Amino acid sequence: EPEVTQTPSHQVTQMGQEVILRCVPISNHLYFYWYRQILGQKVEFLVSFYNNEISEKSEIFDDQFSVERPDGSNFTLKIRSTKLEDSAMYFCASSSQNRVGQPQHFGDGTRLSIL
Amino acid sequence: SQKIEQNSEALNIQEGKTATLTCNYTNYSPAYLQWYRQDPGRGPVFLLLIRENEKEKRKERLKVTFDTTLKQSLFHITASQPADSATYLCALEDDYKLSFGAGTTVTVRA
Repeated sequence: EPEVTQTPSHQVTQMGQEVILRCVPISNHLYFYWYRQILGQKVEFLVSFYNNEISEKSEIFDDQFSVERPDGSNFTLKIRSTKLEDSAMYFCASSSQNRVGQPQHFGDGTRLSIL
Repeated sequence: SQKIEQNSEALNIQEGKTATLTCNYTNYSPAYLQWYRQDPGRGPVFLLLIRENEKEKRKERLKVTFDTTLKQSLFHITASQPADSATYLCALEDDYKLSFGAGTTVTVRA
C-alpha cells in the first residue's frame, strides 16, 4: 500500500538555526498538509498546500515557517529560526482530493528537538 | 470557541469486551467526522469516516455513530483484542483541514 514517507525521523538543532523537514507524499495525491504534535498534546494543523500554493494556514504558521514543493515528489517544511517551543513531532499528510469527506494519509513524522 | 473533547484520557478493558469512546464538539458544524488510530511514535492512521446524514458506519469490528443534534460521535471496538491497544483520535473536517481531539488511549488486557 502506498505510504507517505518523512525524513529525517529525528532532527536535533540548535535554537536559532534553520531546519528543513522533508516529505514524499503518495504519488497520485494532489493535496498536502503539515501538522505538528507537541509531546502529550493533540495533533494541530499548520498548513495545507495545493497547486503550488498555500490553501490555508493556522495561527501557528507564522513568518518563520514556509513550505515548498521543489519537484514532483517532495514537499518540505522550513523553519527559518527555530525556537525552543518548535520542539514537536511534525507530520506530513496527503489526500487525493481536497473536497470534504476525504481521509488524509499521514507519515510517521519527524521528531524535532531544539536545544 | 471551538472545542473537541474526547472522554477520559485512558480506557482499560478486558480482551473480548467492547470499548466505547466518546467525541463531543462545540461550535463546529462538521459535514464529516473521522476517526484515526495513533500508535506511540507513529502518525495517525485513518479508520472510518461518517457523514452528517449517516447515523452509523461499520468496518469489521469498528462502529461509529454521529449525532449532530447532540454534537457527539461514539466509536465502538467490539470483541477487542490486545492489538487494538492504541490512542484513538476524533477529527472534524473544518474547511478541508482536520481539527483533532486530544485522543483516548485504549489498553486491552489479555
